[in-house]
Amino acid sequence: DGGITQSPKYLFRKEGQNVTLSCEQNLNHDAMYWYRQDPGQGLRLIYYSQIVNDFQKGDIAEGYSVSREKKESFPLTVTSAQKNPTAFYLCASSIRPRVVFADQPQHFGDGTRLSIL
Amino acid sequence: GENVEQHPSTLSVQEGDSAVIKCTYSDSASNYFPWYKQELGKRPQLIIDIRSNVGEKKDQRIAVTLNKTAKHFSLHITETQPEDSAVYFCAASQLNDMRFGAGTRLTVKP
Repeated sequence: DGGITQSPKYLFRKEGQNVTLSCEQNLNHDAMYWYRQDPGQGLRLIYYSQIVNDFQKGDIAEGYSVSREKKESFPLTVTSAQKNPTAFYLCASSIRPRVVFADQPQHFGDGTRLSIL
Repeated sequence: GENVEQHPSTLSVQEGDSAVIKCTYSDSASNYFPWYKQELGKRPQLIIDIRSNVGEKKDQRIAVTLNKTAKHFSLHITETQPEDSAVYFCAASQLNDMRFGAGTRLTVKP
């Protein structure tokens, strides 16, 4: 979807360095997500945010941090505490359901491929 | 939390044959089940979805079935074409808490 922009497309991290992945959306979605994709393991949830200034840990949050200061933006920082950061990172957004049985599909960005130097 | 299992991990079919991918979920509160297709190096894209108040949904060559009692749902692709070759992911969600299966790599041989 052209409404979600991830940058950069490729990123290299040196040992002991923190790096930040950008995710911006112009879909007016309340909810945003970060996933990590490794070969054969599908999409694993790192962090998600249902509303500005609020976010929750996903299944593999250790070594990562996020912020949600603006509705449009949900940057992910891969810290030096993440010892195996090499992966494909996907950002997604969706409309936040106000009631049960109203979940909506997630729309994904093109991803950032992070490697260790 | 929710756990989604997906089978098979790889599937190879001849062009024109049907392909079936199956998923099971653990949380009976999940009520939304999307399927995504991811071509090599590209973003996952929604191809079909189903809600828990529906047992089956069809869109041209693609159909999804849901069995709430057994907590499993399946993707059916008929008359497969080489452009159907991709990785397919199922997911289960409730109130935007979505979990994905590990994916199925489908190869359609011409």
